[in-house]
Amino acid sequence: HVQLQESGPGLVKPSETLSLTCTVSGGSISGYYWSWIRQPPGKGLEWVGYIYYSGNTAYNPSLKSRVTMSIDTSRNHFSLRLSSATAADTAMYYCARETAVAGNHFYDYWGQGTLVTVSS
Amino acid sequence: QSVLTQPPSASETPGQRVTISCSGSSSNIGINNVNWYQQLPGTAPKVLMYRNNQRPSGVPDRFSGSKSGTSASLAISGLQSEDEADYYCAAWDDSLNGWVFGGGTKLTVL
Repeated sequence: HVQLQESGPGLVKPSETLSLTCTVSGGSISGYYWSWIRQPPGKGLEWVGYIYYSGNTAYNPSLKSRVTMSIDTSRNHFSLRLSSATAADTAMYYCARETAVAGNHFYDYWGQGTLVTVSS
Repeated sequence: QSVLTQPPSASETPGQRVTISCSGSSSNIGINNVNWYQQLPGTAPKVLMYRNNQRPSGVPDRFSGSKSGTSASLAISGLQSEDEADYYCAAWDDSLNGWVFGGGTKLTVL
């Protein structure tokens, strides 16, 4: 049974870098796309970006200049860095696995989420 | 402002049927499949429907999906109290080269 667990600071100061890691257990990180999706308090879901197990990435155009994702297949985890954080980046951050069934992609496993607050 | 448009709320009584709409454009729903996610209070989203109308194992057949043109819809029949949740549609957007979500619909079972 695949499980994802987000970890990282719950409080980040404005202008600093938000850093999170998602550890995958119960399955291999290889062969899949791995995404970060965030949800501001009381609001909807926003795709932040994905990283393929090979290292290829795609980021939300609205965040692209500030986002960096990396992956460590030997340790079965992947990471998110979001620079120059502002209060608008305050959100629950979820990591999720994107799977493909007969060529159709969707998120089949999600972490429980971690709340990151940007505040001084 | 979300790329996909959903009604913010919907409500119906137990046992009845409710439909949630999701409107997009030619760069997302018009050319790609739609997925639906259910988010129960205080939990992570869970996939409810993929490829417009395919249910993952474990999802009851009370849930059904459809797509036509640049719109999609999720229908829930035989409503139960445990269906109270937020529902999100999602699709890949070829112009943005990324996933886009609807703003979510909060379903209340009266």
